[in-house]
Amino acid sequence: AQSVTQLGSHVSVSEGALVLLRCNYSSSVPPYLFWYVQYPNQGLQLLLKYTTGATLVKGINGFEAEFKKSETSFHLTKPSAHMSDAAEYFCAVSYTNAGKSTFGDGTTLTVKP
Amino acid sequence: DAGITQSPRHKVTETGTPVTLRCHQTENHRYMYWYRQDPGHGLRLIHYSYGVKDTDKGEVSDGYSVSRSKTEDFLLTLESATSSQTSVYFCAISESTAQTPGGGETQYFGPGTRLLVL
Repeated sequence: AQSVTQLGSHVSVSEGALVLLRCNYSSSVPPYLFWYVQYPNQGLQLLLKYTTGATLVKGINGFEAEFKKSETSFHLTKPSAHMSDAAEYFCAVSYTNAGKSTFGDGTTLTVKP
Repeated sequence: DAGITQSPRHKVTETGTPVTLRCHQTENHRYMYWYRQDPGHGLRLIHYSYGVKDTDKGEVSDGYSVSRSKTEDFLLTLESATSSQTSVYFCAISESTAQTPGGGETQYFGPGTRLLVL
């Protein structure tokens, strides 16, 4: 069965600092990988995804993630945090049709002024 | 924004009563999903649908049933609500594309329903 591990349920950074949210997955076949963001009292929305091709994927709001097959990782980064980035972030993996995805437990990002 | 609505948005009910949550989409997407979100557990798939009258179980399906009689509507029913089913419920939709024939479809989420079972 596929699984996703997000290291760190809470991450706190200062405004302007690097954001790094970690995601590792288990897989015996090439996965499709996603990062979603959830703002308070809202549903999830897609930040970025990796399907095939370039392993460095750029998303919305200045976020990017790199698929590293050898490390089974898909860490999310942003060079400079903004207060508006405070939210919960979910990594997800999918292997099959229908987009059935397995989600990680989520990482809450706090941005300090 | 994807056209997904959920109703009701908030509900308080008592243990043992039946509850039905509705998800409605205007995107004509084939796939629809019900998740529950609980602190420390992320999102867990309850049931999903891959077409009208075609549904299957997810990882936490016990105590839940679903129905999809029309493309646009996906209903989640708690036959006899329990306190352990207090949660936030999210509906999502997705569609296969030529770019993602073997998976990799983005899911689009509704705003959620907060359910409290007393």
